[in-house]
Amino acid sequence: AQKVTQAQTEISVVEKEDVTLDCVYETRDTTYYLFWYKQPPSGELVFLIRRNSFDEQNEISGRYSWNFQKSTSSFNFTITASQVVDSAVYFCALRTNAGNNRKLIWGLGTSLAVNP
Amino acid sequence: EAQVTQNPRYLITVTGKKLTVTCSQNMNHEYMSWYRQDPGLGLRQIYYSMNVEVTDKGDVPEGYKVSRKEKRNFPLILESPSPNQTSLYFCASSLGAGGPIEQYFGPGTRLTVT
Repeated sequence: AQKVTQAQTEISVVEKEDVTLDCVYETRDTTYYLFWYKQPPSGELVFLIRRNSFDEQNEISGRYSWNFQKSTSSFNFTITASQVVDSAVYFCALRTNAGNNRKLIWGLGTSLAVNP
Repeated sequence: EAQVTQNPRYLITVTGKKLTVTCSQNMNHEYMSWYRQDPGLGLRQIYYSMNVEVTDKGDVPEGYKVSRKEKRNFPLILESPSPNQTSLYFCASSLGAGGPIEQYFGPGTRLTVT
């Protein structure tokens, strides 16, 4: 079975704090892809990052960084020096290479509130 | 600008009144898909299409129909909407077979069925 778990339902921080959003996934496939999407209050889904199962390099993009660890099946997302504009629901998603369907398997999301 | 568009963005309708939510992408993507988002259930796939005239069911296809007559368009049809289809709907597209290609999402359609 394939599954994505985001154990943190809601997180509230004060601006400029660092915050880490956890994502744990389950799959038996050896080739798979992990994604993070952001859903701001306006409702759209914004793609943030994709990671391939064969590439465990961590990635940094400005204040955002991602830590991919196959040993613990985790793909955590850290926001450094958070800002009010980071307030959103963040989703972690998984896709395997099995079959033609490019269906994403989603976690339930973590709602992040960054307070001034 | 590369994008996925959906119309309408908001819709309130009554039970049983047929409706269509349109989805169009300008990126020449082969793959398109519909998801619905519900509190506590997350996003679930309704239907997907690998290319023109090729469609298949996702996880929650009951009560929905789709068609893919042109590569750019993938409308979602609710023949007889019911209140349990009240949801936020997203259309997505990506390049075709092979490769870890991310999906691009439309802005969402918030549907209320009374």
